[in-house]
Amino acid sequence: RKEVEQDPGPFNVPEGATVAFNCTYSNSASQSFFWYRQDCRKEPKLLMSVYSSGNEDGRFTAQLNRASQYISLLIRDSKLSDSATYLCVVKGSGGQNFVFGPGTRLSVLP
Amino acid sequence: EAGVAQSPRYKIIEKRQSVAFWCNPISGHATLYWYQQILGQGPKLLIQFQNNGVVDDSQLPKDRFSAERLKGVDSTLKIQPAKLEDSAVYLCASSHNSGGYGYTFGSGTRLTVV
Repeated sequence: RKEVEQDPGPFNVPEGATVAFNCTYSNSASQSFFWYRQDCRKEPKLLMSVYSSGNEDGRFTAQLNRASQYISLLIRDSKLSDSATYLCVVKGSGGQNFVFGPGTRLSVLP
Repeated sequence: EAGVAQSPRYKIIEKRQSVAFWCNPISGHATLYWYQQILGQGPKLLIQFQNNGVVDDSQLPKDRFSAERLKGVDSTLKIQPAKLEDSAVYLCASSHNSGGYGYTFGSGTRLTVV
């Protein structure tokens, strides 16, 4: 089983739609969780951290379920500019490095 | 704050040739990472430095890849000899200490091996 798995894409949604991405991780000792966004031919950029209590940043909501080892990202009122690949990232404790999922590609259509 | 600087942006080489990439992290960031991202996949860690010491190089193909971070600041990653499957984007990232608040990536070097 891969360390971090994500929904296969691509997701093609109309503007204004709500879309959700799922991610599962295998290491139960993982401590930190993030969503990164990567535009085509660009570097990944931090979108948001994911906290145990769930957190929201504008149209984006992240949830963490430690018992099920599951992370989600919800995007409301999708914009054309949300089109990108969304990478789920999991980090162990201490100096352990980040493990990236394969990413889920989102295309928001006019 | 200046970002993570990488060069070159693009490189095309023939298989069995050697190539080197350079990275300058954000000032004050102790931890530096080199990632390999093959098209359609997420980034995969090659090596992690804490200051000028190696923390994790378990996924670095040491028969052909080498990296150094002299003086704990900038870093070079070398491939010698290159193989076709090394075609990828090589991303450098840096963070404060263990990266608990996320990494900042450079724009990457796109390598094509022909």
